Amino acid sequence: NAGVTQTPKFQVLKTGQSMTLQCAQDMNHNSMYWYRQDPGMGLRLIYYSASEGTTDKGEVPNGYNVSRLNKREFSLRLESAAPSQTSVYFCASSEVPHQAGELFFGEGSRLTVL
Amino acid sequence: KNQVEQSPQSLIILEGKNCTLQCNYTVSPFSNLRWYKQDTGRGPVSLTIMTFSENTKSNGRYTATLDADTKQSSLHITASQLSDSASYICVVSGAGSYQLTFGKGTKLSVIP
Repeated sequence: NAGVTQTPKFQVLKTGQSMTLQCAQDMNHNSMYWYRQDPGMGLRLIYYSASEGTTDKGEVPNGYNVSRLNKREFSLRLESAAPSQTSVYFCASSEVPHQAGELFFGEGSRLTVL
Repeated sequence: KNQVEQSPQSLIILEGKNCTLQCNYTVSPFSNLRWYKQDTGRGPVSLTIMTFSENTKSNGRYTATLDADTKQSSLHITASQLSDSASYICVVSGAGSYQLTFGKGTKLSVIP
């Protein structure tokens, strides 16, 4: 079972470049999320999609955009990367909204912005 | 502001020994609390969920406790194994809120 698949696993960008992180889940979950994880900090929610066709801002949305392409796929776009966006990004999904349901995470995408 | 504080920040124990990780939270009103295990370079995986009415829940060698009155939870690991080396993250959900509050995690190292 693949679960939640993220691509790419590693990426190095220069300041100002753009890129899209892809995420797909095969568990037929309704809700999907993008988190970032930084050293010494807890996971922080960037954007989420409670159901297909909806997206909402989380705790730290500035500098990011998302697209819920269909029920399976949820992408995260950095339009103009900044060094402050150097982080590990995790996509997650849940069958029910995450305050009640278990989050299933991908393996993470490690992004470095120079 | 909702907060989740975990202690210790890091811990080293010998294989076969027991250990207890702590989680204190200020989230109110409370809905549930989850413990996740995150292996190095991997995504977190849920170990257990505690709701308001539950005091203790076990998952193999992992036992979680919850004291909703004092807003404290603990994760006890029995007879530790090398594979228990990981970060353990406490996550609290507030009732009526979409937001989850994540702790910074406790990094556990089990050495032979």
